Parts: sequence; C-alpha cells; structure tokens
Amino acid sequence: TQLLEQSPQFLSIQEGENLTVYCNSSSVFSSLQWYRQEPGEGPVLLVTVVTGGEVKKLKRLTFQFGDARKDSSLHITAAQPGDTGLYLCAGASGNTGKLIFGQGTTLQVKP
Amino acid sequence: KAGVTQTPRYLIKTRGQQVTLSCSPISGHRSVSWYQQTPGQGLQFLFEYFSETQRNKGNFPGRFSGRQFSNSRSEMNVSTLELGDSALYLCASSLAASRRGTEAFFGQGTRLTVV
Repeated sequence: TQLLEQSPQFLSIQEGENLTVYCNSSSVFSSLQWYRQEPGEGPVLLVTVVTGGEVKKLKRLTFQFGDARKDSSLHITAAQPGDTGLYLCAGASGNTGKLIFGQGTTLQVKP
Repeated sequence: KAGVTQTPRYLIKTRGQQVTLSCSPISGHRSVSWYQQTPGQGLQFLFEYFSETQRNKGNFPGRFSGRQFSNSRSEMNVSTLELGDSALYLCASSLAASRRGTEAFFGQGTRLTVV
C-alpha cells in the first residue's frame, strides 16, 4: 500500500515568515502534485513535478521533487495571510487518474 | 473552458437510503476519479473511470459504485447509507495519458450528510 506522510499537520505563523512542508514516502511516484484547498471547496492544483530533482517556482512558492521521486517539499517565502489554507501533496503511479494524498497541512498566516 | 461540475452541492439523507452524485468533467478529459474527504481520514481514493471502464478501485465496500457514460460524465452511487458516509465527495477529471496528464482538476464537491 502506497502512503504519503505529510508534515507538519498544522502550522501557524506570522506574516513575513518562511515555512517548509514535507511529503515523504517509501514508494516511488511517477509524478507528484501539490494542491491548495479552501474550506468547502475542491482542491486547486498548484504544480506538478515529474522528474527526480526537479524544482519549480510559483511566485513565493518553491516546489522540489526528491532525486529518487519518493519525497517532495513546498517552501513558502515571506508568507502572507492570503496563503492560509490546506496544502495537500498527492502522488501518482503510472499514467492513471488515481492519486494517493497526504493528510494535508493546515497553514494559518496571521497578519 | 468550463471546469468540473458536481451536482448537487449539498445533500441530507437518512440512514439506509441510497444516493447518486453526478460529475461532468472538463471537455476532452476521459478520466474521472472520485474521492471521499473526511476530517479524520483526509482524501481517500474511491475509484477511477476511463473511457466508460473502471480502471482503478480503492478500498471501499461494495455499497460504493460508479459508472461513466460515453460523454465522460460520471455518477457515483452509495447504497444503504451509514452515518460514517457523511463526507465531502470530490470528483476529479484528468487527461491521464502521460505523467503530466495525471494532473487532477477537482469540482467543488458534494457535501453529503447522513442523519
């Protein structure tokens, strides 16, 4: 059974601070996605990484896929209140639509 | 380009009843997956349909079933509802034809409450 361990589960920080969320597994994934979800809404795709060692930047967000494609991280620089939400990592094996999700990280950024 | 549409948004059902949820994927997407989201278990994969065939199945009892039509629209059915079935049910569509094609685009979900 493939599992994705996401940490931390909860994070409460002040505006302007930096943070990193981790997603780890003992399994290899063909791709890994990061999503952000607001209460009562569906997750919204932020980024997809497919190559080991790949780094992608989305404004103040930096995503990295581990060399062995078993882990990933999301780093947010100078967090803002608008970054508040639930962040989810999800791994895919092969080219199907089945995704394995981590438990999520609830981020609260206080002004 | 229209996104993923799920109907209804909210449902309240009684234990023992059955329910059908509907999902219209993004045009051109042939893969539709269903997920159950609860505070305790997070997002759990139910099943995936691709070109009208169930391609993957999660670890849920047989009371959970689904189907996909020729226009890629999908329905999910839950029979003999239990209190524990209360959850946000999410539908996701994807191309699922390459590694980048596994990117999933989610609907807003159907909030099911079983009383």
